[in-house]
Amino acid sequence: ETGVTQTPRHLVMGMTNKKSLKCEQHLGHNAMYWYKQSAKKPLELMFVYSLEERVENNSVPSRFSPECPNSSHLFLHLHTLQPEDSALYLCASSQDLPATNTGELFFGEGSRLTVL
Amino acid sequence: AQSVTQPDIHITVSEGASLELRCNYSYGATPYLFWYVQSPGQGLQLLLKYFSGDTLVQGIKGFEAEFKRSQSSFNLRKPSVHWSDAAEYFCAVGGYQKVTFGIGTKLQVIP
Repeated sequence: ETGVTQTPRHLVMGMTNKKSLKCEQHLGHNAMYWYKQSAKKPLELMFVYSLEERVENNSVPSRFSPECPNSSHLFLHLHTLQPEDSALYLCASSQDLPATNTGELFFGEGSRLTVL
Repeated sequence: AQSVTQPDIHITVSEGASLELRCNYSYGATPYLFWYVQSPGQGLQLLLKYFSGDTLVQGIKGFEAEFKRSQSSFNLRKPSVHWSDAAEYFCAVGGYQKVTFGIGTKLQVIP
């Protein structure tokens, strides 16, 4: 496996369900990110982790709960979501923070979430 | 605060024609600028980046971009578009310890 891997690729859940999105990076990077991509809107940065420590949380509702058990893995735990949370959730990594110093974010293919 | 404007949501070009995608940014100092591409069902991939130096930067897949400080622009160009270039293109500005993306421009290529 190379790069950034996200599972599942597609997820359909009801508003009362609890599910998790998983991200794994095989690049030896120290920083990991969750982005939300909705149609006709810019990518929204949700969470940033550096060396397993959360360094940014952009006013994300508490129904989204991130977890970073080590520098290679990042989870997004989902519970009692709303239909407006339906979107593509992208995981990314960079060598270090800030990403601007290293010049590149490496993205996974995303998890397409549909909330019914 | 930093921001990015991509004024064209959707562009259609003929295969073999030239391409220019517009990007304007707002940032208080010298920015770090990026173009990413997203093919259907894929994540974003870096095409090119500008940090400093030569204002014309070359990227992968035959793309280039020119930084114009006076116009706060970083437009992406390609002299001859291929059908495989059909995708969504995102301009991004880096600074204040984060990267901010534009809304994206969807490129359609017709035969």
